[in-house]
Parts: sequence; C-alpha cells; structure tokens
Amino acid sequence: SAVISQKPSRDICQRGTSLTIQCQVDSQVTMMFWYRQQPGQSLTLIATANQGSEATYESGFVIDKFPISRPNLTFSTLTVSNMSPEDSSIYLCSVTLPLEQYFGPGTRLTVT
Amino acid sequence: GDSVTQMEGPVTLSEEAFLTINCTYTATGYPSLFWYVQYPGEGLQLLLKATKADDKGSNKGFEATYRKETTSFHLEKGSVQVSDSAVYFCALSDLSDYKLSFGAGTTVTVRA
Repeated sequence: SAVISQKPSRDICQRGTSLTIQCQVDSQVTMMFWYRQQPGQSLTLIATANQGSEATYESGFVIDKFPISRPNLTFSTLTVSNMSPEDSSIYLCSVTLPLEQYFGPGTRLTVT
Repeated sequence: GDSVTQMEGPVTLSEEAFLTINCTYTATGYPSLFWYVQYPGEGLQLLLKATKADDKGSNKGFEATYRKETTSFHLEKGSVQVSDSAVYFCALSDLSDYKLSFGAGTTVTVRA
C-alpha cells in the first residue's frame, strides 16, 4: 500500500494568484497522477507526472495553467496559476502500485 | 475513448435495505474495474476491484462482478447501514497507462 499526504489541506485564494500543492508519498513510485474534483462532480484527470520526464496533460488542461514538477520518486507539486473562481475544486494526487491506485486526502481550493 | 456510465443518484434507503448501483463501461481493451467510496469529509478510498472477466470483488459486504458480456460492474450490498452513507464512484483503468476514468458518482444516504 501507499500513504499519501498533501499540503495544504485547504486554502482560500484570491483570483489572479497562484497556489502550489504538494504531494508526498511514503514509498518510491514511478507513476503519479493529479486529478480535479469540481464541486458535486466526478474526478477528472489533469495530468500524469512520471519522474524524469515532462508531465503529460489531458485534453483541456495545459502546462501554463497547471505546471507540475516531479523531482523524485516520492514527491510532486501541482501549481494552479492565475486562479479564477472556476478553479475552485478539490485537487488530488494519486499513485499507482501494481493493480491499484491510492489517493491523497485532497486539497480543497476556494478561489474568491 | 474509455468511459464509465454510472447510475446517478441521489439514492436514499432505509437501514437493512438492499443496495444496487449500476455501472456500465466502454473500453477498447480489457480494463480493470473499480469501485471507490468517498465518505463525508474524507478522501477517496478503494472499495473493491476486479481485474478480469467474471472476477468478483468484495469488501465490507459490498460485491461487484466483472461482466464482460454486458460490460457492467454493478455494485451490490444486501443490507446497508447508516455508516454506508457516502458517494460511490465506479471507475476503470487501462493497465497500459493506469489512468482512471470515473463515473459521475452516486450519493447514497441510508436512514436509520
């Protein structure tokens, strides 16, 4: 199994600012994912972040808006840039171990 | 692309009632199938999984069988409890990239 922590757990930010979310895993993992859960909605994959390569973004998500770092096998960051109220969501990181994915507790972001 | 269609709620039941949440999927390959649960105020947790046709996943009294012929993975529990009140997500993953595609989620409320 994997234990994942995220910082911050929640934040309230003003529009136009940026927030960096950290994801720490208690074991080394190759594949890490970032998801977004908008209020009352399901989860949508933002990007895949593998160590040693550039993040791969899903349709509708771009690097300028959601830059991702993956400096090692246990850590990643997601930045939400130039925020607007539409970015208010829960952001979750996830890691894959064989045949199973584990999710962090999420970062609840509110943009005012 | 791969997708999941999930019975939308909300679903309200009395304690000890039978619960079924329908889930069907579309995939080009042979995905793994999952049910995740999100309890109020908590993170996303894996409830059960099945990796090949006719597999039955089970946990906490919940069951789901991977039906390739009907492309379904319906979740069932014979006698629900108040503590089962949560949002349930059906999901699939292509083992080639481990990305998860989620259904819309079903909110289940169990009344005493």
